[in-house]
Amino acid sequence: EIVMTQSPATLSVSPGERATLSCRASQSVSSNLAWYQQKPGQAPRLLIYGASTRATGVPARFSGSGSETEFTLTISSLQSEDFAVYYCQQYNAWPPWTFGQGTKVEIK
Amino acid sequence: EVQLLESGGGLVQPGGSLRLSCAASAFTFSTYVMSWVRQAPGKGLEWVSGISSSGGSTYYADSVKGRFTISRDNSKNSLYLQMKSLRADDTAVYYCATSGAAPGKRYFDYWGQGTLVTVSS
Repeated sequence: EIVMTQSPATLSVSPGERATLSCRASQSVSSNLAWYQQKPGQAPRLLIYGASTRATGVPARFSGSGSETEFTLTISSLQSEDFAVYYCQQYNAWPPWTFGQGTKVEIK
Repeated sequence: EVQLLESGGGLVQPGGSLRLSCAASAFTFSTYVMSWVRQAPGKGLEWVSGISSSGGSTYYADSVKGRFTISRDNSKNSLYLQMKSLRADDTAVYYCATSGAAPGKRYFDYWGQGTLVTVSS
């Protein structure tokens, strides 16, 4: 099973600032890495797939990068609606599909 | 607009059973791998079970293997999860999710709103 590890657990950022979230895989997942956003009381929403491709309707301030075992989600200028929990997930070797434990982006 | 609507959650005693359903619409259900993903209160996401587009192959997390059974009815655009021998640590919101229509694209592109399962005496 591929273990996904996200850091930090919590990121405190002021509106308008840049946020950088990290995700590490225990073995190579190529570019088969997705990012999801989850707001309180809501289902997760797909943001990024293929490590760097934005899903339909996702603003350009969200960008993903990386390959193999190291990945990054960057939010260039945080808006109020971006404060949420973000999960990475590998879909290179399944089952099982595995998620990171999440990074909470909170208002500083 | 793609819709996934879960139902069947509720309160059940330890050792009990429950059957979840997910009604899909506005996409070609029969071409998609489908999954159930759960989230315990205040915790992260955990993939639980998946099923191939035809239903011929099923997949389970070790935590539910032997207790849960996933199935689908492509004629009814519906996904199911039969849960038996439920334990307190099965308490979670259960989400139905699409797992991609093409090989190499098995990310979860659409999610339902979730149904809460509470296992407690």
